[in-house]
Amino acid sequence: DGGITQSPKYLFRKEGQNVTLSCEQNLNHDAMYWYRQDPGQGLRLIYYSQIVNDFQKGDIAEGYSVSREKKESFPLTVTSAQKNPTAFYLCASSSGTSGGVAQYFGPGTRLTVL
Amino acid sequence: DAKTTQPTSMDCAEGRAANLPCNHSTISGNEYVYWYRQIHSQGPQYIIHGLKNNETNEMASLIITEDRKSSTLILPHATLRDTAVYYCIVRSTTSGTYKYIFGTGTRLKVLA
Repeated sequence: DGGITQSPKYLFRKEGQNVTLSCEQNLNHDAMYWYRQDPGQGLRLIYYSQIVNDFQKGDIAEGYSVSREKKESFPLTVTSAQKNPTAFYLCASSSGTSGGVAQYFGPGTRLTVL
Repeated sequence: DAKTTQPTSMDCAEGRAANLPCNHSTISGNEYVYWYRQIHSQGPQYIIHGLKNNETNEMASLIITEDRKSSTLILPHATLRDTAVYYCIVRSTTSGTYKYIFGTGTRLKVLA
């Protein structure tokens, strides 16, 4: 069953702790993305990766880090430097990066920092 | 990337067609129109996309005006499960940025 999985669905952390969100896809997609969504707002791009071992900052990369060591995995670390980390985090993937190629999203991880 | 404008909310009777408009008056010739929907606390679901021609798939139809400045997503027979926030996105293929710019979307409520 092909798709994108994110774990965990809900995550609670204390302020000042780093936390890593998992994203795995078995769609054989080259490109992967991380977005953040705040209540009542649209999605904002954090990082994206077009191929393995390469990634680029999006619009709101400060306080986040990523790695892309394997094609199917694109974990996101929310560091203590992120000022307001509580949000809904969405991972997406696509087979390419041209304008006519759709991105497909995972179910999301809701992070709450206490 | 071009900006999109959508109504904040719409209601539709169950079984009727839901027509969701989107204005993208600054769209460029190489920019695609995408539609996604998001049900509360879930990831956005891809619906359909197009460049110039009208498109249809098993979920919906996309009607793009000839001047490409606006489009309409049509859900032919809306059901209660179609209640969601619908996002219209314009994405460039040559801008060098590989992202969607999401607005606040249209909150569609399908009424029984």
